[in-house]
Amino acid sequence: GENVEQHPSTLSVQEGDSAVIKCTYSDSASNYFPWYKQELGKRPQLIIDIRSNVGEKKDQRIAVTLNKTAKHFSLHITETQPEDSAVYFCAASKGSGTGTASKLTFGTGTRLQVTL
Amino acid sequence: DAGVTQSPTHLIKTRGQQVTLRCSPKSGHDTVSWYQQALGQGPQFIFQYYEEEERQRGNFPDRFSGHQFPNYSSELNVNALLLGDSALYLCASSLGPFSGNTIYFGEGSWLTVV
Repeated sequence: GENVEQHPSTLSVQEGDSAVIKCTYSDSASNYFPWYKQELGKRPQLIIDIRSNVGEKKDQRIAVTLNKTAKHFSLHITETQPEDSAVYFCAASKGSGTGTASKLTFGTGTRLQVTL
Repeated sequence: DAGVTQSPTHLIKTRGQQVTLRCSPKSGHDTVSWYQQALGQGPQFIFQYYEEEERQRGNFPDRFSGHQFPNYSSELNVNALLLGDSALYLCASSLGPFSGNTIYFGEGSWLTVV
């Protein structure tokens, strides 16, 4: 089955700096890669996603890049703020259409701490 | 627009007991998936329901079962509870079961088995 590895497990940055979290996946058939932010005791919230027909996607301070050849994708957060502090999970799923379930396989998470 | 809602939010059960967790999908969504998230780990896929049928199942024993109703809501049942079943149980919904469809999570049900 699919395996998703995520690094680093913890990341501490100063406010205003950039943060980068990297994930690799094992199944070349995976075609959808969402990122979720989870604050303590809260549900995972989708912050950005990318599909395999796109190499990069940006939404304000957040961007995701995908390298299908190397089977890795990364989350980039610029101008970090204290409210960015949370656990971030990458995930992957595969399927090509009707009848294919959209099971998400998650990475192990990155605890991001933004210090003042 | 109502998001994914789950009940109960917290519950404590004794080893060997049975538990039922409930989920209502986001308005307009017809597909429900269940995930188990142990403390400090990422969510693990349990199973997915679409058109009232289990479409895919993760590596969970038969003690874990589910159901989807005609209004798309869903239940997760766990029998013969073990201490290791203590976790946050997340319900997620999407429009259709296909990869690439945006998946939204509920706040979860915290289950403690003592």
